Amino acid sequence: GENVEQHPSTLSVQEGDSAVIKCTYSDSASNYFPWYKQELGKRPQLIIDIRSNVGEKKDQRIAVTLNKTAKHFSLHITETQPEDSAVYFCAASTPLSNSGYALNFGKGTSLLVTP
Amino acid sequence: NAGVMQNPRHLVRRRGQEARLRCSPMKGHSHVYWYRQLPEEGLKFMVYLQKENIIDESGMPKERFSAEFPKEGPSILRIQQVVRGDSAAYFCASSSGLAKETQYFGPGTRLLVL
Repeated sequence: GENVEQHPSTLSVQEGDSAVIKCTYSDSASNYFPWYKQELGKRPQLIIDIRSNVGEKKDQRIAVTLNKTAKHFSLHITETQPEDSAVYFCAASTPLSNSGYALNFGKGTSLLVTP
Repeated sequence: NAGVMQNPRHLVRRRGQEARLRCSPMKGHSHVYWYRQLPEEGLKFMVYLQKENIIDESGMPKERFSAEFPKEGPSILRIQQVVRGDSAAYFCASSSGLAKETQYFGPGTRLLVL
């Protein structure tokens, strides 16, 4: 099955700096890669996603890059703010029957942005 | 447009009791997924359902766990004879027929087994 590795497990940056989180996956059939932000006790919130037909996608301060050949993808957050502090999860999709997709998650990165 | 709804938000059960977790998908969404999250872990896929059908339950334990998504009403994840190891957060997600891969999560049910 799909195996998603995520690094680092914790990341501390100063406000205004950039943060980068990296993930690798094993299943070449995966073609959809979302990133979720989860604050303590809250639901995972989709913040950005990328499909395998593009190499990069940007949404304001957040960008994701994908290297399908190497099977890795990364999340980049620029100009970090204290409100960005949360646990971030990467995921890779596995197709299921009847148009379904199981998301295989990394173990998460706890990001702390200090003022 | 209400998001994915789950209830209860917190559930405490003693060993051997049954736990029933409910999930209402976003309006217009016909695909429902259940995931389990252990402390300080990522979410693990359990089961994928459409109305009145279990499509894929490859991530669900073979015993004590069952799921349904009836024609009317919410999807239900049922855990019989709970054990302490079942303590976790259980999240439901839904997706539409158009953007099938994009899943939106509910607030989760935090199950504590005493």
